[in-house]
Amino acid sequence: GAGVSQTPSNKVTEKGKYVELRCDPISGHTALYWYRQSLGQGPEFLIYFQGTGAADDSGLPNDRFFAVRPEGSVSTLKIQRTERGDSAVYLCASSHQGAGGYYNEQFFGPGTRLTVL
Amino acid sequence: QKEVEQNSGPLSVPEGAIASLNCTYSDRGSQSFFWYRQYSGKSPELIMFIYSNGDKEDGRFTAQLNKASQYVSLLIRDSQPSDSATYLCASSGNTPLVFGKGTRLSVIA
Repeated sequence: GAGVSQTPSNKVTEKGKYVELRCDPISGHTALYWYRQSLGQGPEFLIYFQGTGAADDSGLPNDRFFAVRPEGSVSTLKIQRTERGDSAVYLCASSHQGAGGYYNEQFFGPGTRLTVL
Repeated sequence: QKEVEQNSGPLSVPEGAIASLNCTYSDRGSQSFFWYRQYSGKSPELIMFIYSNGDKEDGRFTAQLNKASQYVSLLIRDSQPSDSATYLCASSGNTPLVFGKGTRLSVIA
């Protein structure tokens, strides 16, 4: 079956601009996660959705970052007033169960490489 | 602060040898542990998960968990050059996954 897909694969923007990154999870997965990965680091948690609601947004670094999942499937991560420090690979993952369960097998998409000039 | 620690490597092993990757975690509430493989420029790919003390085997891979020592390991038997990648350890309790920085493995033919 189809895996997690993310668009665009690459995004180059200028400092101060607004960007949207899209994630389409595996069909039937109720949980969706956004991570950010910088070079030489492991993925860093940003936000987790269970269905349409953000169950945990404790990883969002500041109020420039926002994510939605209006119909419980596709999610969009939105970054306002981008800064050079936002440059990273943004990974989306999905799973059958949320973070509260013993089983949390998350399947990752290919990521969006964001470069802020 | 919940942390997962891994030696960044690189860990070099000859083809056919056993590669041993180690990970420690700080949160005693962690219940599930995951090993992901990440090739350069690619996204993480789940290899194994473990949540009970002891060993869990899947093909050439064995995950080991010792909750008393807060220690997780991954053994790769008969290592192949195609196993060369970064291996990420992650833990989860009633919280999102916490990842280590990963260990870079290089299998030399």
